[in-house]
Amino acid sequence: GAVVSQHPSRVICKSGTSVKIECRSLDFQATTMFWYRQFPKQSLMLMATSNEGSKATYEQGVEKDKFLINHASLTLSTLTVTSAHPEDSSFYICSARGPTSSYNEQFFGPGTRLTVL
Amino acid sequence: GENVEQHPSTLSVQEGDSAVIKCTYSDSASNYFPWYKQELGKGPQLIIDIRSNVGEKKDQRIAVTLNKTAKHFSLHITETQPEDSAVYFCAASTYNQGGKLIFGQGTELSVKP
Repeated sequence: GAVVSQHPSRVICKSGTSVKIECRSLDFQATTMFWYRQFPKQSLMLMATSNEGSKATYEQGVEKDKFLINHASLTLSTLTVTSAHPEDSSFYICSARGPTSSYNEQFFGPGTRLTVL
Repeated sequence: GENVEQHPSTLSVQEGDSAVIKCTYSDSASNYFPWYKQELGKGPQLIIDIRSNVGEKKDQRIAVTLNKTAKHFSLHITETQPEDSAVYFCAASTYNQGGKLIFGQGTELSVKP
């Protein structure tokens, strides 16, 4: 099946700094990528949808100025958490959908564990 | 918008027994229903999915059933093994809403040897 990677797998940063997470589709072109956040013992919550070459669409309640998403190519999307605070500590997961994906099939990355001190 | 409810939140079975997890959805326009297995510290892994034009799908020990009228779908795992222990999520999606997946709350399955 299609492979999606994320980098880094885990990151620890100080409060107030910015962190960038990369999501790559390794063997297919992803026209759409999705970013999710998952807190411990909870479900995945969609943060935003990004389409290559256009601005991301954010879900209600997600601050677009805090969570910057860039989908500059068909294989790479980035999520930048700006001025991170302890409450931003979470498991961030991306997924990708290719142009030939039937229906809404999404391929998920392995996730990035963010810890803000 | 779409809302997905998943039950039970935890499920413990003996090795070899069957496990059933149920989900209901609210949007009758939803047409794609995947199930994911998530192990601790990892991303979700698609284990089976079903489209709205199909009532049942089976893949070895795993099966999914869909009742469009009642708007619910279920995951069935037979002959459970300890390595089936994980958190399972159902989801629903509507193609004309950009393919967004709306997830259920998750079920923590424990298979005791």
